Amino acid sequence: AQKITQTQPGMFVQEKEAVTLDCTYDTSDPSYGLFWYKQPSSGEMIFLIYQGSYDQQNATEGRYSLNFQKARKSANLVISASQLGDSAMYFCAMRADNNDMRFGAGTRLTVKP
Amino acid sequence: DAGVTQSPTHLIKTRGQHVTLRCSPISGHKSVSWYQQVLGQGPQFIFQYYEKEERGRGNFPDRFSARQFPNYSSELNVNALLLGDSALYLCASSFFQGFSSPLHFGNGTRLTVT
Repeated sequence: AQKITQTQPGMFVQEKEAVTLDCTYDTSDPSYGLFWYKQPSSGEMIFLIYQGSYDQQNATEGRYSLNFQKARKSANLVISASQLGDSAMYFCAMRADNNDMRFGAGTRLTVKP
Repeated sequence: DAGVTQSPTHLIKTRGQHVTLRCSPISGHKSVSWYQQVLGQGPQFIFQYYEKEERGRGNFPDRFSARQFPNYSSELNVNALLLGDSALYLCASSFFQGFSSPLHFGNGTRLTVT
C-alpha cells in the first residue's frame, strides 16, 4: 500500500524568502513517481513538479525544486523567492506503476508581505 | 489545447437523489481518474479508467459508479446521495497510465447535498 505523509498543516514564509514543505512516503514498489500540486483557493489543482524513483538528480522547475532523499523516503518541495501568489494549499502525491495517484493531507502556505 | 473540462461547476442535490458528473479529458489523453475532496483534506481516489476499462477503484461504496466513453470522456454517477457526499469532485486525465505520467486536473464540480 502507498502512503503519503505531510506533517505541516500550515506554514508561513516572508515574501522573497525560501520555504521547504515536507513530504514522506511509503511504498514497496521499486518504480514510482512523486509529484507536487498547488491548489489555490479557487480550487484547481496545478501540477508543479515531478521526480521519478530512478532519477539521480533532484528535479527543478523554475522556482520549485524537489529535495529527493530516497533512503529516507522523503520528497520535500523547496520554493525559492516566495511570492504573494504562492499562498495556497500544496499537496504531495505518489504514483506507482499501473496504480492510481495518492495524495497527502496537504500544507497550507501563507506568504506574508 | 483545452484542458480538462468538467460539468457542471456547481450542483445542489437533496439526500436520496442521484447525480451525474461529466468530464472531458485533454485531447489525446486516454486515462481518466476521479477524486473526491472534502473540505480541508487531500483528494481521495475514487476510480481510474484507461482505454475505457476500469483500472482501479478506491474505497468508496457501490453507490459510486463511473464509465468511460469511446471518445475518452467520462461520467461519475452517485446514487442515493448522503450529506457526507458533499465535496469537490475532481476529474483528472493523463496521457498514459505509467508512474511518470502526471495527472492534469479539471476545475472540479462542487456538490452540495442538503
